[in-house]
Amino acid sequence: QQQVKQSPQSLIVQKGGISIINCAYENTAFDYFPWYQQFPGKGPALLIAIRPDVSEKKEGRFTISFNKSAKQFSLHIMDSQPGDSATYFCAATGANNLFFGTGTRLTVIP
Amino acid sequence: NAGVMQNPRHLVRRRGQEARLRCSPMKGHSHVYWYRQLPEEGLKFMVYLQKENIIDESGMPKERFSAEFPKEGPSILRIQQVVRGDSAAYFCASSPLNSVAYEQYFGPGTRLTVT
Repeated sequence: QQQVKQSPQSLIVQKGGISIINCAYENTAFDYFPWYQQFPGKGPALLIAIRPDVSEKKEGRFTISFNKSAKQFSLHIMDSQPGDSATYFCAATGANNLFFGTGTRLTVIP
Repeated sequence: NAGVMQNPRHLVRRRGQEARLRCSPMKGHSHVYWYRQLPEEGLKFMVYLQKENIIDESGMPKERFSAEFPKEGPSILRIQQVVRGDSAAYFCASSPLNSVAYEQYFGPGTRLTVT
């Protein structure tokens, strides 16, 4: 059973465009919603995280939007760059565990 | 400050052999987590350990898999009598004491191939 559903599976964006990745969850007991970035051959690295009582959090070009009533959250990457090409995972935490989405492979075309 | 270290990076085992994966957490970190990643899938939690103590093993398969984090030395994930379905990337993460659950620092992973 997938606790966190993520879409799309892959995404191609032109340089300078906006990349948008969406996630949905069911368990209302989750207490944090982080996003991770993973480059080939590397482990995931924490990008940004949000609490469920906050509707938006921005760090540089990365923004998380959170809709508690819809149980959905999304990552927006503004001014996408080729160096942003990686796999992005949304996740949710509960009881000291991290539950990952299935990942989105982002390719930014120069 | 060195990050989380895992070795070996690649491991090939024949069916029925044992696989031992090692993880050295970041300096000062006392918590270790193990995850498994199948191709085109997200990471799945396996086990959460502190020194000499298993805190949560709810994601571990009931048979053939075990994990430890001794007082001295790295954490070990052990898979006995490996089968083809065990082929995956295994990631270790560590976190400091009293951190939030998502503050985990991941190692580069061990890619296990069972032939």
